[in-house]
Amino acid sequence: DQQVKQNSPSLSVQEGRISILNCDYTNSMFDYFLWYKKYPAEGPTFLISISSIKDKNEDGRFTVFLNKSAKHLSLHIVPSQPGDSAVYFCAAGSSGSARQLTFGSGTQLTVLP
Amino acid sequence: NAGVTQTPKFRVLKTGQSMTLLCAQDMNHEYMYWYRQDPGMGLRLIHYSVGEGTTAKGEVPDGYNVSRLKKQNFLLGLESAAPSQTSVYFCASRPNGYGYTFGSGTRLTVV
Repeated sequence: DQQVKQNSPSLSVQEGRISILNCDYTNSMFDYFLWYKKYPAEGPTFLISISSIKDKNEDGRFTVFLNKSAKHLSLHIVPSQPGDSAVYFCAAGSSGSARQLTFGSGTQLTVLP
Repeated sequence: NAGVTQTPKFRVLKTGQSMTLLCAQDMNHEYMYWYRQDPGMGLRLIHYSVGEGTTAKGEVPDGYNVSRLKKQNFLLGLESAAPSQTSVYFCASRPNGYGYTFGSGTRLTVV
């Protein structure tokens, strides 16, 4: 029973357009959410995060939105660049669990030039 | 700064063989984690440690053992490898907060 779900295994977007990656969760105890980016043959690297007291966090071209009532978060990348092509993992954690992160299955983003 | 270093990067084992994966971090982090990544499954937590001398089970601990004798090292052992343990293994560490730093992974194939 996956507590963090990324239902789109892949997404293709034209360079310059917006990329929207989605993530759903089921555990109401999650109070912190993160996005990680992974290139082939490398470990995941932290991209952006949001706590449950906020509904939006922005960092340059990357914005994460959190809808707690729907248990849904999304990552927006504007404008998308070819270098953004990677696997994106959504992750969630709760303060009372040694801050273990539960990861989604990932979405492969391909930005076409 | 090396960050989190995993050795080896690649390994092929025969069923029933044993091996140890080493994770070393130079950031003085208290918390360390071992994850495995399988197609369509994301990263799943195997074992973790909240400090030197402590270990705890994660989501998929069966068939693995771990040790954290020194703060900077977290070892993952496979006593009798099985084909189901073919995977990419990632180690991560963090200070207080959620900022995990991952190693580059170990690709293990069990034949």
